[in-house]
Amino acid sequence: KAGVTQTPRYLIKTRGQQVTLSCSPISGHRSVSWYQQTPGQGLQFLFEYFSETQRNKGNFPGRFSGRQFSNSRSEMNVSTLELGDSALYLCASRGYGGLDTGELFFGEGSRLTVL
Amino acid sequence: LAKTTQPISMDSYEGQEVNITCSHNNIATNDYITWYQQFPSQGPRFIIQGYKTKVTNEVASLFIPADRKSSTLSLPRVSLSDTAVYYCHTGNTGKLIFGQGTTLQVKP
Repeated sequence: KAGVTQTPRYLIKTRGQQVTLSCSPISGHRSVSWYQQTPGQGLQFLFEYFSETQRNKGNFPGRFSGRQFSNSRSEMNVSTLELGDSALYLCASRGYGGLDTGELFFGEGSRLTVL
Repeated sequence: LAKTTQPISMDSYEGQEVNITCSHNNIATNDYITWYQQFPSQGPRFIIQGYKTKVTNEVASLFIPADRKSSTLSLPRVSLSDTAVYYCHTGNTGKLIFGQGTTLQVKP
C-alpha cells in the first residue's frame, strides 16, 4: 500500500512569488491535513480537507490556501511568498472523518526555501 | 481548543527507560491521545495511541491517568536510533493541534 506522496520534495522561490504543493493521500483516505514546520516551532496546523471541503483552518493568513479534488488529492498554495514562509510543509492523510481515533499518516514533506 | 505541553528536550543513555510526559488540560471527551516520532527531514510516524489507562505495543507504553489531563510515553531500553523528536497529539476532529515536541537525545 503506497504511502502519502508529496511533490515537489524541494523547491526554491523568491519573495513575492507563489507556490503550489501537492499531496496524494493513501488510497481510500478521504481526509488530508497540512502542516508547516519551522525550526523551533513544531508542527503548525494549516488546514484540513475532507471530501473536497475544508473542515478546519489554523491561524495562518489568507495567503495560505488549499483545495481537495474528488480523488482526495490535495494542493496547497502560498501566494506573495515571504522569507518567513521558508519551512517544511507536511501533508497527512487519515482514513476517516468525523468521530474517529484518527491516526495520521504523514508524507516526507516539501521543503520550501524563499530567497 | 486542546493544547499540549511537553518538555523541550531530554537526554538519556542507551539501555535506559525514558518517560516523556505531555500535559493536555483541555482535552475533550472524544479526544484520543497519540504520540508520533519524527526523524530529521522525515514526516512524523505513529508510535502509540490511547484513550485511558495503559496501552502497550511492541515499541512503547502509554500511561493515561483517570482525569486524562496528561499522558506519559514510556520507551523501554532506548538505543541511539531512538534519538528523535516526539510529539504528543490530542484530538480526532477539529484543529489537529500538536505540541512543540520533545527532542530526545540518546547518548552511548
